[in-house]
Amino acid sequence: QVQLVQSGAEVKEPGASVKVSCKASGYTFTNHEIIWVRQAAGQGLEWMGWMNPNSGFTNNAQKFQGRVTMTRDTSISTAYMELTSLTPDDTAVYYCARNRQGLQVWGQGTLVTVSS
Amino acid sequence: QSALTQPRSVSGSPGQSVTISCAGTSSDVGRYNYVSWYQQHPGKAPKLMIYDVTERPSGVPNRFSGSKSANTASLTISGLQAEDEADYYCCSYGGTQNFVFGGGTKLTVL
Repeated sequence: QVQLVQSGAEVKEPGASVKVSCKASGYTFTNHEIIWVRQAAGQGLEWMGWMNPNSGFTNNAQKFQGRVTMTRDTSISTAYMELTSLTPDDTAVYYCARNRQGLQVWGQGTLVTVSS
Repeated sequence: QSALTQPRSVSGSPGQSVTISCAGTSSDVGRYNYVSWYQQHPGKAPKLMIYDVTERPSGVPNRFSGSKSANTASLTISGLQAEDEADYYCCSYGGTQNFVFGGGTKLTVL
């Protein structure tokens, strides 16, 4: 079945970087866009960025410009989201989702905790 | 891009109907027919309920329906059931590969 499986929880110190992976299966990875969304505890969903896995083209929310990099490895059907210069405000669950007729398929989420 | 505006909470009794609004601008909700709605239960990933304003994915009950008028989209849930109690988020395409979510609405089934 179509699914996205994300990497495990991370604990990082302020100023560090984190790289979250999102492995696709059950469909042709390069055929559908990948969206990254985050959600802080008790807060709403926040759109972070978009990637075309075929071309590698990306677009990020202005809030994250200069701090987020989205890449992919088509040989293993995996998308990556790297966030740098972490602060405690970046503590959140990070989701990847497949964009086809809405965000129909979501990863399970990756909890990133930023704490000293 | 500013978040779409949703009511913080709505409530209804079993069997009733509720409508959740999602106010955007002429640059997002008003310009594109790419509004989607997500249901999220505590501790779970969001689930797509409506896409392209009115379309229902396979497996979503027809009690859920979407609509749009000018810059405001709406999600209506008819015949409320206990399991509908959750947070609901709208999302709109905003052009040039940008998306924006609403702040979320907590639905309470009384």
